Amino acid sequence: GAVVSQHPSWVICKSGTSVKIECRSLDFQATTMFWYRQFPKQSLMLMATSNEGSKATYEQGVEKDKFLINHASLTLSTLTVTSAHPEDSSFYICSARDAGGREPNEQFFGPGTRLTVL
Amino acid sequence: QKEVEQNSGPLSVPEGAIASLNCTYSDRGSQSFFWYRQYSGKSPELIMSIYSNGDKEDGRFTAQLNKASQYVSLLIRDSQPSDSATYLCAVTPRGSTLGRLYFGRGTQLTVWP
Repeated sequence: GAVVSQHPSWVICKSGTSVKIECRSLDFQATTMFWYRQFPKQSLMLMATSNEGSKATYEQGVEKDKFLINHASLTLSTLTVTSAHPEDSSFYICSARDAGGREPNEQFFGPGTRLTVL
Repeated sequence: QKEVEQNSGPLSVPEGAIASLNCTYSDRGSQSFFWYRQYSGKSPELIMSIYSNGDKEDGRFTAQLNKASQYVSLLIRDSQPSDSATYLCAVTPRGSTLGRLYFGRGTQLTVWP
């Protein structure tokens, strides 16, 4: 149980284009999902917290107009990187919290999406 | 400031040994504690969660929590080369209604055959 999927697993795009990443909880309902970014050999950086049916809460320094987050259902959240530039190239990972799970506050991570902007 | 500190490593142990990973946290009211394993190029994988003082065992893994000392550790018994990864300590602070995690920078573990 507690499986989270992400799509696509990797994407290469040209500078200036937008990229949408999907995060799905496959066997549980996730009222809260989290989006992280990780640069090579660095720690996870939380970008935003996403609640189903409401606006996402962004961490300081993360541009909400550039990283659009939609959490339209209890099993799906999307992150859109708008007008991507080479500096946005990174490993984007989502996680989902199983609020109804056996252990509170456990977060399960998707496999990640590797974005390369040319 | 909600800080989570891990011994920086890297930590290198021989196969079959016990690997000990340590973590301290600054928010005394923190309520949930987790250990994640992250292989190079992959996303983190939850391996242990612990909520109350004492030890919690799961197979070769034992998590230890001491809230008075604000300390949580992970012991890996009979370490295997497949345990070589970065281990992340994560904490949910007091009052977190959404379950946001604060991560340490991770400890890189290498188990050599």
